Parts: sequence; structure tokens; C-alpha cells
Amino acid sequence: SAVISQKPSRDICQRGTSLTIQCQVDSQVTMMFWYRQQPGQSLTLIATANQGSEATYESGFVIDKFPISRPNLTFSTLTVSNMSPEDSSIYLCSVEEKGQGVGELFFGEGSRLTVL
Amino acid sequence: SQQGEEDPQALSIQEGENATMNCSYKTSINNLQWYRQNSGRGLVHLILIRSNEREKHSGRLRVTLDTSKKSSSLLITASRAADTASYFCATDSSNQAGTALIFGKGTTLSVSS
Repeated sequence: SAVISQKPSRDICQRGTSLTIQCQVDSQVTMMFWYRQQPGQSLTLIATANQGSEATYESGFVIDKFPISRPNLTFSTLTVSNMSPEDSSIYLCSVEEKGQGVGELFFGEGSRLTVL
Repeated sequence: SQQGEEDPQALSIQEGENATMNCSYKTSINNLQWYRQNSGRGLVHLILIRSNEREKHSGRLRVTLDTSKKSSSLLITASRAADTASYFCATDSSNQAGTALIFGKGTTLSVSS
């Protein structure tokens, strides 16, 4: 199974600033996903990041607010731009591994952001 | 948008008891998966059940799927304090091109010794 490292694990940020979260995978993967988990809530998919193409954003999420890079098959970044307290969440990177044609997600430990 | 709805939202039991969590979903699926999240950590995949399966076992875990009712249940037998975590069901839509999962709201399980 893939091992996923996320940095930073946590950060406290000031309103109006931006923060970039890094996700490193120990193997080459086609699809990477970024999720947000607001306090006490479930996971919400932000976008799907495929190498060599623009990220695909879910309804309610836009590239200007959450720009994503995917320069190669083992790395991706998510930037949370112009942060407000409502952006305080855990941001999780995940990758898909297919067993017998069915996708299973592996997750990083998450990046817990607190915006003051 | 969220696909799955788990109930109960919270469950407290004693060690050794069984814990049952339920998940309902709205649209057709290819498969349904259950994940566990320890407090503030990443998610760990527990078990996957395909749409053409009705029951699956993995250790102390038993998952059922009823596609006619669009529901699934996760049973943890002989629970342990280490099972304390949040449990989420996740589905993919058979109508979507991608394979991103949609997660339910989760059940928070507390097992006391």
C-alpha cells in the first residue's frame, strides 16, 4: 500500500495569508485527491489532481481559492489562498490504489490548519 | 455533496460488546467502503464490498450491503478500547467517470474498558 507524507502536519495562519500543503507519495500514482474535513464533520472532496492536466474541482471549490499543482506522479500541492477562519480544517491528500479493478483510497495523516 | 448518511452519529459501548453502524446512500454504486479515523489522524481503509456482494467478513468486522434499500451496516464484534474512532462509509457512483469517493457523515464510536 502507498505511503503518503503530508507537510505541514499542522499550522496556525493569519487571516488573508496563503499556505501551501505538500503531499508526497512513495510510489507513482495516477490519481490524487484532496479532501477537506471541517471540525467535527466528514470529508468533502475538493478536487482530483491528475498528472499532466488541470485539476478537476468539485462544486463549491474554485481554482483561485485552492490552486493545485501536480508536477509528477509522486507529488502534489494544494494551496489555500487568502485564508479566513472558515478555512480552518484538516486537509487530506489521498491516492487511489486499484485491487482487482476496484479503487481503494490511502490517506496521508492530514494537515490541520487553524486560521485566526 | 454527501452520499452516505451513517447512524447513529455517536455510539458508546463497553469492551467486549458488539458495535453496529449503519450507512444509507442515495445513488447507484459500484462498491461501498468503510474507513476508520482515529482522532485527528488520516483515514484507514477497513473493508470494501462490491455492489454484487451481500456480506463480507474481515477479522472482527462484518459488512452487509442491501442495494435494494441502499444501505450498509458495519458490525464490529468483541469490541476493544482500541476500536474507539470515527467510522465512515464511502461510496463511488456508478454514474461518475472518476473514482473519487463520497463520504458519509460518520459514526463516532467510544469503547470503554
